[in-house]
Amino acid sequence: NAGVTQTPKFQVLKTGQSMTLQCAQDMNHNSMYWYRQDPGMGLRLIYYSASEGTTDKGEVPNGYNVSRLNKREFSLRLESAAPSQTSVYFCASSPDGNQPQHFGDGTRLSIL
Amino acid sequence: KNEVEQSPQNLTAQEGEFITINCSYSVGISALHWLQQHPGGGIVSLFMLSSGKKKHGRLIATINIQEKHSSLHITASHPRDSAVYICAVGAGSNYQLIWGAGTKLIIKP
Repeated sequence: NAGVTQTPKFQVLKTGQSMTLQCAQDMNHNSMYWYRQDPGMGLRLIYYSASEGTTDKGEVPNGYNVSRLNKREFSLRLESAAPSQTSVYFCASSPDGNQPQHFGDGTRLSIL
Repeated sequence: KNEVEQSPQNLTAQEGEFITINCSYSVGISALHWLQQHPGGGIVSLFMLSSGKKKHGRLIATINIQEKHSSLHITASHPRDSAVYICAVGAGSNYQLIWGAGTKLIIKP
C-alpha cells in the first residue's frame, strides 16, 4: 500500500551541487506534482505533469527541471543548488486535474 | 490580498471542544479542498467539495459558493486532531490549486 514514494527523505547539499529527487506512485494516476513548502508559507507548485509525456511550469519553476519518466515516475532536478532552495519538497499525484491529491512524505533539503 | 485566506492562523482548544476553521476565497472556483498536515509532515486530503456539505467521521466540511466561504468543523475534538489544516481551491487551471497558508490546531488533553 505504498501510494506516493519519495526518495531521499533528507539531503544536505553544498551550493552549486546538483541532485535529483525521485517520486513514484503506484495508483495509476495520470497527474503528478512537485511542491515546495517553506516555513509560514503555503505549498507552492514547482512543476506538474498533467499526463504521461507532458510537463508544465507551476508558480516557482526557476532553478528546477523535471522529467516524467513514465506514468509512475516524476523526478525533480536541481542543476546548481542555491541556499534559497532549502525547503521541504513534496511530490503528489491525482487521478486527473482538480481531484484530491495524494502526497508523499516529503524530502527535507538543506543547501549550505 | 491573498486569494485564499484561512482563519484563525492558530487555534488552541481543549479536548472535546467543537472546532471551526474558516476559508475565504476571492476567485471563482470549480472545487475546494481541505487537507491535513500531521506534525510529522505528512499531508492527507480530507475533502473535496464544490457545493453543500460533506461528512467523514467527526469532520464536516461546508461550502457557500455565493459567499465564497468554506468551513471545516471537528466535533468532539481529540489531541490526535492536532495538525495544520490547509484549504486550497481549484480556479481556472485544473492542475494549479491556490493554497491557503494553513491553520495550526492544537488540542490539549
